[in-house]
Amino acid sequence: AQSVAQPEDQVNVAEGNPLTVKCTYSVSGNPYLFWYVQYPNRGLQFLLKYITGDNLVKGSYGFEAEFNKSQTSFHLKKPSALVSDSALYFCAVRAPGNTPLVFGKGTRLSVIA
Amino acid sequence: GAVVSQHPSRVICKSGTSVKIECRSLDFQATTMFWYRQFPKQSLMLMATSNEGSKATYEQGVEKDKFLINHASLTLSTLTVTSAHPEDSSFYICSASIPGQGTNTEAFFGQGTRLTVV
Repeated sequence: AQSVAQPEDQVNVAEGNPLTVKCTYSVSGNPYLFWYVQYPNRGLQFLLKYITGDNLVKGSYGFEAEFNKSQTSFHLKKPSALVSDSALYFCAVRAPGNTPLVFGKGTRLSVIA
Repeated sequence: GAVVSQHPSRVICKSGTSVKIECRSLDFQATTMFWYRQFPKQSLMLMATSNEGSKATYEQGVEKDKFLINHASLTLSTLTVTSAHPEDSSFYICSASIPGQGTNTEAFFGQGTRLTVV
């Protein structure tokens, strides 16, 4: 079974500082990992994905994530946070094929001016 | 990216009535769509997999007679909450992926529907 864990319910960071939102995964076989962001009362917006290749994945809005196989982690990062980055972030994994995503519980990011 | 449109974005209904939520893939055909439910400050929980031309597959604990899913065309799946009760109040989100691209493609999500049953 596929699963992801987001150990932090809330992350607070000052504007301009680097941010990290943590995610660890558990899969059988190759991991297919995703990050999504959700603004209030909205659907999910895709940020980035890791399928294969370089461990550092670059995505939308300046976000990137580093795939670490030995630590089974896929942490989301951004070098300089913006107040507009404040939102709910979900890490997700899916099995091969056209299968549904399995989500972590989400981490609320608050960027303070 | 591909567009998935969900309607309505908000709906308030009385207890005992039924509510239909539509999920459309606007620029691609989706043989499979997924319906999720999200409680306040919680993650998305998969409710069911909607399959075009066949019966939906429901997750354990989801009442198929209460949450009716119809996927009558390659661009439209509907979720009908029948005989709604206040505990059905939630945020419902659909998603679809571009077929043929398998695991390599991200899922595209509708805007979500906030259902409030009074």
